[in-house]
Amino acid sequence: DSGVTQTPKHLITATGQRVTLRCSPRSGDLSVYWYQQSLDQGLQFLIQYYNGEERAKGNILERFSAQQFPDLHSELNLSSLELGDSALYFCASSVGPGQRTDTQYFGPGTRLTVL
Amino acid sequence: AQSVTQPDIHITVSEGASLELRCNYSYGATPYLFWYVQSPGQGLQLLLKYFSGDTLVQGIKGFEAEFKRSQSSFNLRKPSVHWSDAAEYFCAVGTGGFKTIFGAGTRLFVKA
Repeated sequence: DSGVTQTPKHLITATGQRVTLRCSPRSGDLSVYWYQQSLDQGLQFLIQYYNGEERAKGNILERFSAQQFPDLHSELNLSSLELGDSALYFCASSVGPGQRTDTQYFGPGTRLTVL
Repeated sequence: AQSVTQPDIHITVSEGASLELRCNYSYGATPYLFWYVQSPGQGLQLLLKYFSGDTLVQGIKGFEAEFKRSQSSFNLRKPSVHWSDAAEYFCAVGTGGFKTIFGAGTRLFVKA
């Protein structure tokens, strides 16, 4: 158990809908990272927040957004869902702001299925 | 450009046999290197990491990795594989930016 929690574990929805994925980092960690893992794209970095502020952006679509709240939990919002958005979404956390030495600890993931 | 290459998409070994998973990186500065394991339906778990010092790093579950700067490699090894080691393994490099670059992964199959 990494100490990172994600809810829900599974989510099934329809195209065009909007969903929210939630992540609680390990106690004491200030950074939260979001990743998308699909069979054809592998593990793709989406976005990082550090202490409530956006720190880095990766391959995140405009239909997706995220935020980190004062209690440091984070939410990833996915809207206008398409079939291709079906994937595993992971959250990870680290103590620091994303320096090279920061170790990321991953949550169990949320499996999103868009029908 | 910074990158991580895991040349083997999948590997099959017999239980009790030794294992080596390859990882090559491309990074201009001193690399900070990680190996993660992902069991089916699970998140990624950190096996070991290298920041500096001894180039042979010990991790959890009996794994070790050796950093070879001259070969830009960070190969993962285990002397005797157990059936429970069947999983996907990811090599990663911590870059000077704000994100970690992951390799495409190597899926390990263990046969009885």
